[in-house]
Amino acid sequence: DAMVIQNPRYQVTQFGKPVTLSCSQTLNHNVMYWYQQKSSQAPKLLFHYYDKDFNNEADTPDNFQSRRPNTSFCFLDIRSPGLGDAAMYLCATNRDLNQPQHFGDGTRLSIL
Amino acid sequence: KNQVEQSPQSLIILEGKNCTLQCNYTVSPFSNLRWYKQDTGRGPVSLTIMTFSENTKSNGRYTATLDADTKQSSLHITASQLSDSASYICVVSAHSGGGADGLTFGKGTHLIIQP
Repeated sequence: DAMVIQNPRYQVTQFGKPVTLSCSQTLNHNVMYWYQQKSSQAPKLLFHYYDKDFNNEADTPDNFQSRRPNTSFCFLDIRSPGLGDAAMYLCATNRDLNQPQHFGDGTRLSIL
Repeated sequence: KNQVEQSPQSLIILEGKNCTLQCNYTVSPFSNLRWYKQDTGRGPVSLTIMTFSENTKSNGRYTATLDADTKQSSLHITASQLSDSASYICVVSAHSGGGADGLTFGKGTHLIIQP
């Protein structure tokens, strides 16, 4: 059974139209991460939550925001998507930092 | 700057053959090294994780080695199967006071198994 679930698997939005991607986990892990992965590239960390503490990477654009209303759910909000934001967005969790991460299957975002 | 370099970038082998993927890193101070398998259109799945004191770890037909002195790791796949076709990503974790930015990802090796 999937333990990190991302919805939807595929998302199409229009240039500049806000979009929200969701991630849920059944592992009760403390840490949840959002990564952006473009074709043939390594995943790039956008931000992570350790419990309720939000940690933003220095080079994550302001266009990207995140919410974690409870332990199980985490959302990625893209306020005004640009063509360069088309990518696979991966959610991952772990019980603690420096533990193996459990990844969801990602949401592939396309921008029209 | 922390870096993880993987080679080869891509590899094609026949089903049943063995192969070895390489990972060199310059991450410091080193905490652990992980190998992930990422199928096309799926999220990465953890294969192995090794700390400084471990120099080999197996997971079925996958065997990872670590040489912390030379800062090199390898992932050996034995008797390859068609389902081994995937990208294999090396991730190195640094002791960073607890910050998640302690993870450095390689770009992966794209492995294709041909029947």
